[in-house]
Amino acid sequence: AQSVTQLGSHVSVSEGALVLLRCNYSSSVPPYLFWYVQYPNQGLQLLLKYTTGATLVKGINGFEAEFKKSETSFHLTKPSAHMSDAAEYFCAVSDGNQGGKLIFGQGTELSVKP
Amino acid sequence: NAGVMQNPRHLVRRRGQEARLRCSPMKGHSHVYWYRQLPEEGLKFMVYLQKENIIDESGMPKERFSAEFPKEGPSILRIQQVVRGDSAAYFCASSPGLQDEQYFGPGTRLTVT
Repeated sequence: AQSVTQLGSHVSVSEGALVLLRCNYSSSVPPYLFWYVQYPNQGLQLLLKYTTGATLVKGINGFEAEFKKSETSFHLTKPSAHMSDAAEYFCAVSDGNQGGKLIFGQGTELSVKP
Repeated sequence: NAGVMQNPRHLVRRRGQEARLRCSPMKGHSHVYWYRQLPEEGLKFMVYLQKENIIDESGMPKERFSAEFPKEGPSILRIQQVVRGDSAAYFCASSPGLQDEQYFGPGTRLTVT
């Protein structure tokens, strides 16, 4: 069975500071990994995804994530936080062989202080 | 190209009533997924459908919940005899193919009083 653990339900950073949101996964098969962002009362928007190939993945809004198989991690980073980055972030894993359903982590709420 | 549409956006039902949630996938998308987000929790997979077929319903509660995706029209998630514990945000996602990115709708927020 697959699972995702997001370390830290709440993360607070100052505007301009580094953003680091942690995600560890468990999967018995090569995983597809995703980061989604959810703004209040809205649906989820895909930030970036890893399927195969390059382990450093660049996404929208300046975010990137690195797939580290040895550490079973897929942490999300952004060099400089902006106020508009305040939102809920979800890491998810998929096993394409099982129809593409996504298994989500609990989410991390990011706050950005001025 | 319109995104994934869900209606209603907000739905209030009394205990024991039925709730019907609708999802219109993006044009050209034949794969639909339903997820539920309980308060303070992440999203949980419920069901995966293709046109006229349920492919994976491993996340659906055994009773009171059903889903369909007919040949014509939107996908429907139906909850019979709702209880307070059904209060949640229900999200639909669609994709053009099995391995493709899922696009999420804005969700339906169900409140059971």
